[in-house]
Amino acid sequence: AQTVTQSQPEMSVQEAETVTLSCTYDTSESDYYLFWYKQPPSRQMILVIRQEAYKQQNATENRFSVNFQKAAKSFSLKISDSQLGDAAMYFCAYRSPYSGGGADGLTFGKGTHLIIQP
Amino acid sequence: DTEVTQTPKHLVMGMTNKKSLKCEQHMGHRAMYWYKQKAKKPPELMFVYSYEKLSINESVPSRFSPECPNSSLLNLHLHALQPEDSALYLCASSHYGTDNTEAFFGQGTRLTVV
Repeated sequence: AQTVTQSQPEMSVQEAETVTLSCTYDTSESDYYLFWYKQPPSRQMILVIRQEAYKQQNATENRFSVNFQKAAKSFSLKISDSQLGDAAMYFCAYRSPYSGGGADGLTFGKGTHLIIQP
Repeated sequence: DTEVTQTPKHLVMGMTNKKSLKCEQHMGHRAMYWYKQKAKKPPELMFVYSYEKLSINESVPSRFSPECPNSSLLNLHLHALQPEDSALYLCASSHYGTDNTEAFFGQGTRLTVV
């Protein structure tokens, strides 16, 4: 079974600064998908960024980028130019390629609460 | 339309009540999911429907009864719940049987059992 570990229960960053959230995972599969989801106080889980394990290039989405180290089984999220709207719970998630749909094979980490200081 | 709509947003029910949670999407997704999320914890998968048929039941107690009347709707019927069932219930949907498919989540129903 896969496991996802987020070792930072809470992180704080000044507005406009850069912050990195850590995620490590354990799997015996060679191909898989990794995600970062954001859950603000509105409660909706929002996909921030996605990485396919077979792609060596790190995914980027505007101010969000990942550092994917497959051999180390590490998948960290970097948020540049932090904004107040980035304050949320961030979950790292793993999905097996053998799951049938987008959400039935998701293994979540415990989450990191990100606080943005104005 | 990339929304998953859940109603109600909040629900308070007694242990002898019967209530239902509703979830709707119009993205043509044929997989729909119920998750349970306790405070400060990650979501836990409860049920998966694929093509309107229950494909995964993660050993959920029978006091939770899912229903998928059509490809756009997903219900969760609640009966004789316990206070420990109080949680945020999230619905999600996605395409099924394709790689690299994104799951869309609703805003959830905050359930309190008294």
